Amino acid sequence: GEDVEQSLFLSVREGDSSVINCTYTDSSSTYLYWYKQEPGAGLQLLTYIFSNMDMKQDQRLTVLLNKKDKHLSLRIADTQTGDSAIYFCAESEGAGSYQLTFGKGTKLSVIP
Amino acid sequence: NAGVTQTPKFQVLKTGQSMTLQCAQDMNHNSMYWYRQDPGMGLRLIYYSASEGTTDKGEVPNGYNVSRLNKREFSLRLESAAPSQTSVYFCASLDPRGYEQYFGPGTRLTVT
Repeated sequence: GEDVEQSLFLSVREGDSSVINCTYTDSSSTYLYWYKQEPGAGLQLLTYIFSNMDMKQDQRLTVLLNKKDKHLSLRIADTQTGDSAIYFCAESEGAGSYQLTFGKGTKLSVIP
Repeated sequence: NAGVTQTPKFQVLKTGQSMTLQCAQDMNHNSMYWYRQDPGMGLRLIYYSASEGTTDKGEVPNGYNVSRLNKREFSLRLESAAPSQTSVYFCASLDPRGYEQYFGPGTRLTVT
């Protein structure tokens, strides 16, 4: 079945860039997502990328997709303390697919 | 728009008790989901409903039942709670384009 892997923890200093990595196994994944979960809250979509794209940039966020290696990364520039949260990578087979497969989440800690 | 709402926010049950977790969305979405989140396990899909009147099992359906009461509401029932069901439960709905799931704030359930 599908599997999505992420490292569990990342610690960075305020102002540095954060890079959160994710690998997935399903070659039919069409859409890949990054969700953010702040303490005590539900998940919120940060950004998504289609599998026919290599890169997507949205303000401080850059998503890179290496489809050959099935590797997805999220770069947060100028990381702030408000970026401290759990970041989930997720994949689905397409807009018509009703199911997402989530990774276990990466807890980002930002050191002031 | 309230988005996705869940009740209750917190609940403590004794083993063997039953309860229903309520979820409602006011975005006129067709698809709704129930997930559980456990430390180090990410989110796992319990049940989903692709449209009003239909429900399907997800990855971890055992011990749960669901009802899609109408387009707005999707409830999750624990008939006989077990300590292994101690978790945080999230409800979500899918926007019509199929890209983004909107999450509720979660229900924190403890079974003693």
